Amino acid sequence: DVVMTQSPLSLSVTPGQPASISCKSSQSLLHGDGKTFLFWYVQKPGQSPQLLISEGASRFSGVPDRFSGSGSETSFTLKISGVEADDVGIYYCMQGIQIPYTFGQGTRLEIK
Amino acid sequence: QVQLVQSGAEVKKPGSSVRVSCKASGGTFSTYTIQWVRQVPGLGLEWMGRIIPILDVSDFTQRFQGRVTITADMSSNTAYLELSNLQSEDTALYYCATDYLDVWGQGTMVTVSS
Repeated sequence: DVVMTQSPLSLSVTPGQPASISCKSSQSLLHGDGKTFLFWYVQKPGQSPQLLISEGASRFSGVPDRFSGSGSETSFTLKISGVEADDVGIYYCMQGIQIPYTFGQGTRLEIK
Repeated sequence: QVQLVQSGAEVKKPGSSVRVSCKASGGTFSTYTIQWVRQVPGLGLEWMGRIIPILDVSDFTQRFQGRVTITADMSSNTAYLELSNLQSEDTALYYCATDYLDVWGQGTMVTVSS
């Protein structure tokens, strides 16, 4: 199975400050068709997870542009340009290139 | 935009089975892959399996082999997850979601307790 490793596992950020989460995969997530099968989700307290970023860098419909995804092959980053109170939650990366899909451990974001 | 509505919470005895349903509305069911993900309380997300209804093809993670069945009924736009031989460790929130988890159901809590 592809192992997904996130860091840090927790973040405490002052509103308006940037935040960054790293996700590394044990195998390349670059498919032969040129797509990168890396996804970012956030699970806000008491809610179902929701998709933020697909294929490494594409913001999902309705996701604010303060969220951005970057990276390639085995190393990826989710950045929040200016954290807001509503961003509190647990952030997960997931690989979708190989069955079984696998998630990172999750990164808990809290507001200072 | 498709919406997914799951069946209600279940309480089951060890050794029994549970079936969770996931009904899609507002979209074309035949164009989706339905994924199943579970979350043990306080822990992270675990992908369980998926079904492509139009092909009636399913995959699942090996650790559930022999215990999980994923099916879909295209006439009712509903997917099902059945998990057998339940143990306390199966107490979790079970989610369905479309494709690459872009739309999620509300989750179904399954509690396994004697």
